[in-house]
Amino acid sequence: EPEVTQTPSHQVTQMGQEVILRCVPISNHLYFYWYRQILGQKVEFLVSFYNNEISEKSEIFDDQFSVERPDGSNFTLKIRSTKLEDSAMYFCASRAGLAGTGELFFGEGSRLTVL
Amino acid sequence: AQKVTQAQTEISVVEKEDVTLDCVYETRDTTYYLFWYKQPPSGELVFLIRRNSFDEQNEISGRYSWNFQKSTSSFNFTITASQVVDSAVYFCALTRLNSGGYQKVTFGTGTKLQVIP
Repeated sequence: EPEVTQTPSHQVTQMGQEVILRCVPISNHLYFYWYRQILGQKVEFLVSFYNNEISEKSEIFDDQFSVERPDGSNFTLKIRSTKLEDSAMYFCASRAGLAGTGELFFGEGSRLTVL
Repeated sequence: AQKVTQAQTEISVVEKEDVTLDCVYETRDTTYYLFWYKQPPSGELVFLIRRNSFDEQNEISGRYSWNFQKSTSSFNFTITASQVVDSAVYFCALTRLNSGGYQKVTFGTGTKLQVIP
């Protein structure tokens, strides 16, 4: 069964460092997303991406965050200068196009710990 | 604006008991989807079910069943004869289909289910 894969599974970084989280969505999917979940809290939408541009972003997704689909397969989330409050599990998700079911397929998550 | 409320923060049941997880949603859209996801202790999000707003048929899948009632804006999830492996956090979620086709999913705060052997 096709799946969304994310790397790394866990990253520990110092405050102020740049972090890149990588995702390989399901190959024929067209819509890509990043969500995050602070420990013990709900899953929050960060950003959606379609046709090589951001479709929608939340208030959380400020100038410190950026997304990119550099090579047609990877979908990355970059945090430019990490803060303690960026510590969370980050989930990548993808969805098929308009004719698809609307189901989001999530990766297993990348846990980011900022010290 | 969309909102999903899962009023039950934590539930504990003894194995083999039935348990119902409540979900109430708010949306102004006429076309929307509702989901349930399971998050086991390992952390990943596992898709359980999707329902669109035009399909109010209840669904049963093995020990799982879902009761969608538009009149009360509820999409409740029942596990029959619970098992220890059902212990997880369960999230109800809501999304709409924009004209551009993309969707932002709004999650509830989750219900932590503990099944005691």
